Amino acid sequence: DAGVTQSPTHLIKTRGQHVTLRCSPISGHKSVSWYQQVLGQGPQFIFQYYEKEERGRGNFPDRFSARQFPNYSSELNVNALLLGDSALYLCASSPLRGDRGYTGELFFGEGSRLTVL
Amino acid sequence: AQKVTQAQTEISVVEKEDVTLDCVYETRDTTYYLFWYKQPPSGELVFLIRRNSFDEQNEISGRYSWNFQKSTSSFNFTITASQVVDSAVYFCAPNQAGTALIFGKGTTLSVSS
Repeated sequence: DAGVTQSPTHLIKTRGQHVTLRCSPISGHKSVSWYQQVLGQGPQFIFQYYEKEERGRGNFPDRFSARQFPNYSSELNVNALLLGDSALYLCASSPLRGDRGYTGELFFGEGSRLTVL
Repeated sequence: AQKVTQAQTEISVVEKEDVTLDCVYETRDTTYYLFWYKQPPSGELVFLIRRNSFDEQNEISGRYSWNFQKSTSSFNFTITASQVVDSAVYFCAPNQAGTALIFGKGTTLSVSS
């Protein structure tokens, strides 16, 4: 079975531009979460989505937004990019609590590495 | 407020040595889950162990073992007989059920042959 897939794997943008990152969860997983990992730090929670609605949000500015589609895939959008947005963006999927296979574990993709110049 | 502390920034060991990674989770919550993840150079976070806060029984799973002391909010992760392939960054990450994981800053483990 395919794991969590993210695209693109690497990208370079300039300050002020916009970026869209995509994530496909593991088949059967309905919850998708996004994390930002700056070099040398642990991942920081950005968003959680399930049933196409935002269910949790970390301490990130409104320049960050996301959405979830009917097939449970998700997009993370970042507007007006800043140098400090350079990071590895990780997507994670999981079953919903109460669904078969739920353990609380998050399954992570390999991430999208964004460089802002 | 919740706080996760991984005091060890880097650890270097020689193959076959045992190594223990420390983590302290400060919270007022009485029920939570504790996870350890491994991040190899490829970047993907790999799940290792999950425990809940109301079970202090230590466990062993293969070369991995888990020592949780709720009174001190510490839960340490031990790799027995380390191997070069264990070289990675290790994160502890607690959460309440259904909420986001809170990651520590990570401990970089280097295992040399």
